[in-house]
Amino acid sequence: GENVEQHPSTLSVQEGDSAVIKCTYSDSASNYFPWYKQELGKRPQLIIDIRSNVGEKKDQRIAVTLNKTAKHFSLHITETQPEDSAVYFCAASMWGNTGKLIFGQGTTLQVKP
Amino acid sequence: DSGVTQTPKHLITATGQRVTLRCSPRSGDLSVYWYQQSLDQGLQFLIQYYNGEERAKGNILERFSAQQFPDLHSELNLSSLELGDSALYFCASSVGDSNSPLHFGNGTRLTVT
Repeated sequence: GENVEQHPSTLSVQEGDSAVIKCTYSDSASNYFPWYKQELGKRPQLIIDIRSNVGEKKDQRIAVTLNKTAKHFSLHITETQPEDSAVYFCAASMWGNTGKLIFGQGTTLQVKP
Repeated sequence: DSGVTQTPKHLITATGQRVTLRCSPRSGDLSVYWYQQSLDQGLQFLIQYYNGEERAKGNILERFSAQQFPDLHSELNLSSLELGDSALYFCASSVGDSNSPLHFGNGTRLTVT
């Protein structure tokens, strides 16, 4: 079955710096890749997603890139702020049932003021 | 607020017992998904219902069952509980049965003692 590996497990950056989180998936049939942000004790919230027919997508300070050949995708956060501190999860699924998500193990991002 | 309502917020019970977790999807959403979040397994897809019918199954134990009622609310039943079932259980909903973003509820924290 599908497996999603996420790195690093923890990431500490200085406010204003960029943060990059990387994920690798195993099933080449996967073609929908969302990213979720989960603050402590709260629900996961979708922050950005990308389909396999798109190589990159941006939303203000957040961008996601996808390399289908290598089967990996990355989350880029620029100009980080303390409120970006949270656990970030990547996930993969197949278009046609995008709710059946296989999640990575999560990255704890700490942004130091 | 995502519009997805889960009750109860917390549940403490003993091994061997049975509990029921309840979820009301966002207004207009026909799909309900159940996810389990534990420290060792991360976020795992359990099961999906669409308009009252089971649509997809994940790593759901035989001791667990779910259903979606005509009013579209869903219940997740966990029986013969074990210590390892202690986790955060999330419900999520989406408009359709595919290709729609998931909106997560705030979760039910289950503690088995």
